[in-house]
Amino acid sequence: AQKITQTQPGMFVQEKEAVTLDCTYDTSDPSYGLFWYKQPSSGEMIFLIYQGSYDQQNATEGRYSLNFQKARKSANLVISASQLGDSAMYFCAMREPQGAQKLVFGQGTRLTINP
Amino acid sequence: GAVVSQHPSWVICKSGTSVKIECRSLDFQATTMFWYRQFPKQSLMLMATSNEGSKATYEQGVEKDKFLINHASLTLSTLTVTSAHPEDSSFYICSARPLHMYQETQYFGPGTRLLVL
Repeated sequence: AQKITQTQPGMFVQEKEAVTLDCTYDTSDPSYGLFWYKQPSSGEMIFLIYQGSYDQQNATEGRYSLNFQKARKSANLVISASQLGDSAMYFCAMREPQGAQKLVFGQGTRLTINP
Repeated sequence: GAVVSQHPSWVICKSGTSVKIECRSLDFQATTMFWYRQFPKQSLMLMATSNEGSKATYEQGVEKDKFLINHASLTLSTLTVTSAHPEDSSFYICSARPLHMYQETQYFGPGTRLLVL
């Protein structure tokens, strides 16, 4: 069975600082995908970044980058130059490699950016 | 692009009634849609996978006769909560996987908050 673990229930960061949100995963399949989603208080799930298990380079999308360490089975999200609007819940998720390719989500981390 | 809508966004109903929630992919086709439920301060839990033209696949512990799913077209899936009870009060959110997209990213709808009195 696949499992996603986010060990930080809450994070508090000063505006403009960088922040790393931790995510570890467990799977025996060699092919998988890792996602990060942001969920503001409105509830919508906003796709941030994707990393495939065979990707050679770490994924980056603007201020978001994914620190993918395959041997350690970790896929931490790094947000550079944090902004007040980054305050939200952040979920790490893993895609099943076959079949319907459903997502399994971690418990989430609530990020609060202080002015 | 890749916009998913849900309707309604809010619903309050009496115990024992049925509630239908629609999930639409507005600018892409999706053979597969997913329905999740999220209780306050918790993560998203997959309820079922909805496949166009076939029966939905339910996760363990989810009653298929209580949560009816219909995926009649490539852009629409519906979730009907039958005989709703207060414990069914939750945030229901759908996602859709575009038919032709290498990364298989799922795009989420804005969610539906259900309150059963």
